[in-house]
Amino acid sequence: ETGVTQSPTHLIKTRGQQVTLRCSSQSGHNTVSWYQQALGQGPQFIFQYYREEENGRGNFPPRFSGLQFPNYSSELNVNALELDDSALYLCASSPRRNQETQYFGPGTRLLVL
Amino acid sequence: SQQGEEDPQALSIQEGENATMNCSYKTSINNLQWYRQNSGRGLVHLILIRSNEREKHSGRLRVTLDTSKKSSSLLITASRAADTASYFCATLLNAGGTSYGKLTFGQGTILTVHP
Repeated sequence: ETGVTQSPTHLIKTRGQQVTLRCSSQSGHNTVSWYQQALGQGPQFIFQYYREEENGRGNFPPRFSGLQFPNYSSELNVNALELDDSALYLCASSPRRNQETQYFGPGTRLLVL
Repeated sequence: SQQGEEDPQALSIQEGENATMNCSYKTSINNLQWYRQNSGRGLVHLILIRSNEREKHSGRLRVTLDTSKKSSSLLITASRAADTASYFCATLLNAGGTSYGKLTFGQGTILTVHP
């Protein structure tokens, strides 16, 4: 157990809908990153948040957005869902001073029909 | 795009045998890490090796890093059925300070250990 929690564990949406995924960071960790893992692939970096601001972004369109709250919990929002958005979404937290090791949550599996 | 490429894509062995997985990457790195994932769940950090290190051990794990060849290997000795999982290498390009720590993962090796 890493102390990082995510909700929900599973979610089914239809194309065009919007979804919000949630993550609670490990205590004392003020940086959170989100990753998308398609079936049979390695995780791909979506973005990172620090001090409630986006602090780096991967190759994902603007319909992927996020929030970080003062208690370091975080949300990933995806608008206008597409079939290819079906994936496991992982969040990872780390202390700002040492981002070498990131602590992953169990993930949210999203299925877009 | 994936930074690392892992080889083999799948590995099947008997309990007690050693398992070796390889990873290649493309750019200069600060460090390389190996993670384990059980059945599409969260990733568990196994071991980290820095760019100025050549070999590192942790329990039954041995990791090597060859920066001249941009490659790394993970050796699991005396494997157990419980080692069955997917294993990913990940490289960290920038970390700490004002930059951000973006992990770039390979596609993974699926290891199956038969009892």
